Amino acid sequence: DTGVSQNPRHKITKRGQNVTFRCDPISEHNRLYWYRQTLGQGPEFLTYFQNEAQLEKSRLLSDRFSAERPKGSFSTLEIQRTEQGDSAMYLCASSQQGQPQHFGDGTRLSIL
Amino acid sequence: RKEVEQDPGPFNVPEGATVAFNCTYSNSASQSFFWYRQDCRKEPKLLMSVYSSGNEDGRFTAQLNRASQYISLLIRDSKLSDSATYLCVVNTGRNTGFQKLVFGTGTRLLVSP
Repeated sequence: DTGVSQNPRHKITKRGQNVTFRCDPISEHNRLYWYRQTLGQGPEFLTYFQNEAQLEKSRLLSDRFSAERPKGSFSTLEIQRTEQGDSAMYLCASSQQGQPQHFGDGTRLSIL
Repeated sequence: RKEVEQDPGPFNVPEGATVAFNCTYSNSASQSFFWYRQDCRKEPKLLMSVYSSGNEDGRFTAQLNRASQYISLLIRDSKLSDSATYLCVVNTGRNTGFQKLVFGTGTRLLVSP
């Protein structure tokens, strides 16, 4: 499968714990995006990487959230001290310049 | 006011029907436009890009009216497999390098036998 891959598919954790998600983009795509989607809403943009550089961050990305793409390939999204409101689907997408984004199947986070 | 507005539906139609979805956007500087399809608890998948001249892909036709900031999607001869949520998506990125996609809440379509 040469699509965008995300791990884990599901994560259940207690409030206050740290979680980390991984995204492996389509191999030739140098642009990588993270989104968050809650029930009944469309995805909301969180952050954008071009190669290893994080070039855009949404105001939704509080200081408890951090994203990295150290070698310009896979990316990780970490949430520290999770809160109930962090429960959502976290989606990763990748693209080439000027081309539509392709999404992974997401990581569903549930905070107990 | 939301940046991208859609009627959430659901639209309940019989197989074979023609159905149209509309969407409006507020950012007049928006660069490009898309329709994505999302099945329940799955990721969004690109259905089609939307061009100013209008474009068609099989049973699907998309239209864009920049003056009215309005986008539409027409589905002809609906199939059961068309049941999904259709997301109107607008790229508000300021340059060609960064696609800042803003999604509507989606319009749910249910096609019945």
